[in-house]
Amino acid sequence: NAGVTQTPKFRVLKTGQSMTLLCAQDMNHEYMYWYRQDPGMGLRLIHYSVGEGTTAKGEVPDGYNVSRLKKQNFLLGLESAAPSQTSVYFCASRTRDSIGYEQYFGPGTRLTVT
Amino acid sequence: GEDVEQSLFLSVREGDSSVINCTYTDSSSTYLYWYKQEPGAGLQLLTYIFSNMDMKQDQRLTVLLNKKDKHLSLRIADTQTGDSAIYFCAERHSGGYQKVTFGTGTKLQVIP
Repeated sequence: NAGVTQTPKFRVLKTGQSMTLLCAQDMNHEYMYWYRQDPGMGLRLIHYSVGEGTTAKGEVPDGYNVSRLKKQNFLLGLESAAPSQTSVYFCASRTRDSIGYEQYFGPGTRLTVT
Repeated sequence: GEDVEQSLFLSVREGDSSVINCTYTDSSSTYLYWYKQEPGAGLQLLTYIFSNMDMKQDQRLTVLLNKKDKHLSLRIADTQTGDSAIYFCAERHSGGYQKVTFGTGTKLQVIP
């Protein structure tokens, strides 16, 4: 049981390049989330999904797109990377009806945009 | 606003108690959480408290909730070097998609 995994762990992009971050969970969780973590700030929600085939915007969705074609995977895409998207990205998941609504986090992807 | 505020840094000696404080803004929040983040890792849930409780104890951890002042604290008894990490407070809002707002994190340094 690997929990929540993220690919890649590190990436450096040039401005204008595109990339996709992959999040996978093997816990059969319905809900999945993408956050970004910046120095001196808490985690901010980019997009989330409440089930396969559904996605919704969070607090800071601009410049990102997501897809949830399979229940276990949640993809975060950057179509044209900007230096402001330099951050650490965390994926999380949870089951719909857990007591306390605990989110399980992946180890993060550190992205640098030059 | 929906800011969750924490002090940035706390230093304690091994064996002492640590108290990390947090203030939140949404009086209708349903759950409040404490997460721990070790270097290079994701956040791990330490404990949570339902909003109708005022205290929760779990081994070395004690959570106190003052709803009137919207103040949450985490006490770690007998702090160990392995407790060195960043601790995040978070609140779950009611309604909508039950958004979770995270604090900025408190870096706990444990001095041997």
